[in-house]
Amino acid sequence: KAGVTQTPRYLIKTRGQQVTLSCSPISGHRSVSWYQQTPGQGLQFLFEYFSETQRNKGNFPGRFSGRQFSNSRSEMNVSTLELGDSALYLCASSLAVGTRSYEQYFGPGTRLTVT
Amino acid sequence: SQQGEEDPQALSIQEGENATMNCSYKTSINNLQWYRQNSGRGLVHLILIRSNEREKHSGRLRVTLDTSKKSSSLLITASRAADTASYFCATDERREEYGNKLVFGAGTILRVKS
Repeated sequence: KAGVTQTPRYLIKTRGQQVTLSCSPISGHRSVSWYQQTPGQGLQFLFEYFSETQRNKGNFPGRFSGRQFSNSRSEMNVSTLELGDSALYLCASSLAVGTRSYEQYFGPGTRLTVT
Repeated sequence: SQQGEEDPQALSIQEGENATMNCSYKTSINNLQWYRQNSGRGLVHLILIRSNEREKHSGRLRVTLDTSKKSSSLLITASRAADTASYFCATDERREEYGNKLVFGAGTILRVKS
């Protein structure tokens, strides 16, 4: 099975711009989660999507949003970029059966630099 | 915010030695997971232990969970240079909502010298 893919791998944006990152989960995985990783704050949960609905949300401002399509592919968007948004953005997919949570499979990440 | 602390922050050992990393957390959990990350790349899932389990093995990995102390440990036996990486524990906190929402620790940087 192909792993989780993320595009683009690297991105440089200017403050005030917006950015869209894409994630394709492992075939058959219906849950897609997004995480932000920075040296200062570590790995932080952004949100999780399941069946095109946001199911869980972390403590990030409304500038961070996402969506999931019917084929389980997901996008996240960050509007009005700030310098502090520079980070590695990781997408993870997982099986979602009933109420149990399962191990997550991570993509290679998108390295976003805001100048 | 991060769920807990990992100890030590960094660990340097010789190839062939065992490496032990500890993780503490603050709330009730459904499960605890360990991940490995090489040089700022994506995370690789190592092992998942559920709250009703006390110990789990996978190859050279042994994980223990003590829910009364809210702590877990990861033991890597007979370490190899290829084990050099950052190791993170992540907890799935018990909550009303279904699904996945992992809270990660700060990680332990392991360096295995050959």
